[in-house]
Amino acid sequence: EDKVVQSPLSLVVHEGDTVTLNCSYEVTNFRSLLWYKQEKKAPTFLFMLTSSGIEKKSGRLSSILDKKELFSILNITATQTGDSAVYLCAVVSGGSQGNLIFGKGTKLSVKP
Amino acid sequence: DGGITQSPKYLFRKEGQNVTLSCEQNLNHDAMYWYRQDPGQGLRLIYYSQIVNDFQKGDIAEGYSVSREKKESFPLTVTSAQKNPTAFYLCASSIPAGQKNIQYFGAGTRLSVL
Repeated sequence: EDKVVQSPLSLVVHEGDTVTLNCSYEVTNFRSLLWYKQEKKAPTFLFMLTSSGIEKKSGRLSSILDKKELFSILNITATQTGDSAVYLCAVVSGGSQGNLIFGKGTKLSVKP
Repeated sequence: DGGITQSPKYLFRKEGQNVTLSCEQNLNHDAMYWYRQDPGQGLRLIYYSQIVNDFQKGDIAEGYSVSREKKESFPLTVTSAQKNPTAFYLCASSIPAGQKNIQYFGAGTRLSVL
């Protein structure tokens, strides 16, 4: 059975800290991995990763994929209170007919 | 302004009642999806449709029904057979599901039971 596991499930940091969120997966015929940020309502797309070792970067956020060890990390540097959200990791696998398989998410709280 | 519109934002269901959640998109996407999100849980797939007049069950389809008569619209009906309907429901759309499948989400409907 395809599975996506995120850790930690929740995290509290102070503004300015750097955080690393983890996503590991066991899926049939991996195709891609996606990160989303969910504040109150709609998840918003952050990154899509398909190749190992190539870092995707957007401002203070970056992400990388390791297809050998089957995981991805999402880094946020110099955190701000506006980074407080649930971060969702999802994987597209051949076994899911191309659909997304989501992890449970990491709830990040950034304190002033 | 392209996007996905879900309505209503909040919905209350009486026992034994069917309710319908609306999802409309103007992104010209072929594929549409319905997810259920419970507290502390990831998103679970209810139904998806890759093309008009065709849809498939996801992981938790029991107690739900959908239709896809138009490309822009993918309404979800929560039937009385769904015994635990209280949840946050998210609709999404994408270009046809495949290797990339970047899905874009609506703002969600929160359903509660009276």
